[in-house]
Amino acid sequence: QKEVEQNSGPLSVPEGAIASLNCTYSDRVSQSFFWYRQYSGKSPELIMSIYSNGDKEDGRFTAQLNKASQYVSLLIRDSQPSDSATYLCAGHTGRRALTFGSGTRLQVQP
Amino acid sequence: DGGITQSPKYLFRKEGQNVTLSCEQNLNHDAMYWYRQDPGQGLRLIYYSQIVNDFQKGDIAEGYSVSREKKESFPLTVTSAQKNPTAFYLCASSTAVNTDTQYFGPGTRLTVL
Repeated sequence: QKEVEQNSGPLSVPEGAIASLNCTYSDRVSQSFFWYRQYSGKSPELIMSIYSNGDKEDGRFTAQLNKASQYVSLLIRDSQPSDSATYLCAGHTGRRALTFGSGTRLQVQP
Repeated sequence: DGGITQSPKYLFRKEGQNVTLSCEQNLNHDAMYWYRQDPGQGLRLIYYSQIVNDFQKGDIAEGYSVSREKKESFPLTVTSAQKNPTAFYLCASSTAVNTDTQYFGPGTRLTVL
C-alpha cells in the first residue's frame, strides 16, 4: 500500500458546485496533513493544514480528518474555474519530510 | 520579500554532465528539502536537511548530491550517475522537519538533451 493515495481524476464539477477531494493514508503516516494546489507547470502552494480529527474551515475550503478511517478530504464550496488544478495531499511520516500522494486533477466547468 | 528562490528556471544537460540547481531562502527556516516531480506524478523526496552541515537521503537519492554550508542555501547536484534526470525539481523549506508546513520555491525544469 502506498503511504498516501489519491484518485488521479480528473474530477469534473460545474461552476458553483462543491468539489470533494479525498485522500487515504497508511499506518506509517500519522501526524499532520496538508493540502496543496498545483497549477500546470507551477510549484505547489499550500491551501490548508490539519492536525486533529474533525473539520477545519478557511473561506471556501474545508479540510476533514478522520484518523480512525485514515482519510483526509478537502471540500471546495462554490467552485470556480480558477480552482481547476491538481490537488496534492501530503502527510508526515514521523521524522521524515512530507510524503505526497500523486494528486487529483480538478476541472471546474464554466 | 521573504521567500524561496530557485535558479535557473530551465536547465538543459548533455549526457554525462553534472549540473547544480540552486535553492536559496530568506525565511530563516532551519529545514530544507529537495523533491523531484515527473509528469502526472506526485513529489518524491531526494534529500533533506534539518540544520547546517547535516543532511539525510530521501527515497530517491541515488545519482544526486547536496551540501548545506549555509542556513540559507541548499544546492542540489544532479550527477551523471542519475540515469533519468529529466524532471521538475522543487526545493522547499520549513521551520522544523516533523510537523511544520513546507513552502516551495518556483522550481527548476531540467531536460537532458
